[in-house]
Amino acid sequence: DTAVSQTPKYLVTQMGNDKSIKCEQNLGHDTMYWYKQDSKKFLKIMFSYNNKELIINETVPNRFSPKSPDKAHLNLHINSLELGDSAVYFCASRPNQMDEQYFGPGTRLTVT
Amino acid sequence: AQKVTQAQTEISVVEKEDVTLDCVYETRDTTYYLFWYKQPPSGELVFLIRRNSFDEQNEISGRYSWNFQKSTSSFNFTITASQVVDSAVYFCALSEGPYSGGSNYKLTFGKGTLLTVNP
Repeated sequence: DTAVSQTPKYLVTQMGNDKSIKCEQNLGHDTMYWYKQDSKKFLKIMFSYNNKELIINETVPNRFSPKSPDKAHLNLHINSLELGDSAVYFCASRPNQMDEQYFGPGTRLTVT
Repeated sequence: AQKVTQAQTEISVVEKEDVTLDCVYETRDTTYYLFWYKQPPSGELVFLIRRNSFDEQNEISGRYSWNFQKSTSSFNFTITASQVVDSAVYFCALSEGPYSGGSNYKLTFGKGTLLTVNP
């Protein structure tokens, strides 16, 4: 009965490759997010979708493209991976603007 | 624009000491929400508390307590009688209210405070 799940948990890949991270929430929340946590633990929002509509796109390179096939899923596709993309990526969902966000377990991406 | 400052990068205490983690925020909104999250060494983000801008009552939950002061734009977190299991990175976060346009959908996080509790 995992609330917010992400796959894979670990992802090691080479520069230049294209990869995807999947996120699913079974909480019935309308809003989903992607965050990037760098090596210094700084958490920064990347994207937010509300009912499959893009709400927030925080100056993320075009190589990153979120896709929300339905309200329960928000996937992140990354093209032409670079060393600087190495980080932990967290998916989150939220029922409405007043509530806390529920985070997935994170996906540690390592680009070599 | 909203901003959260956690000036303490790292704190180290000995078990059973009390410790306070500071959080100062900036927002132009009159309606906003404040949060604390814990990130233990295992890496997951654990929600601790939410506070809205209209509720300045302090809150206590076991060994945890929170002091919200709008006058100083602070939302500080105190752990009483700290334990080794409290060792984690603690994040303070801010979300603006429903009339802020798109920004009301996002949490802005502080840079976190690494708390190490030594036995």
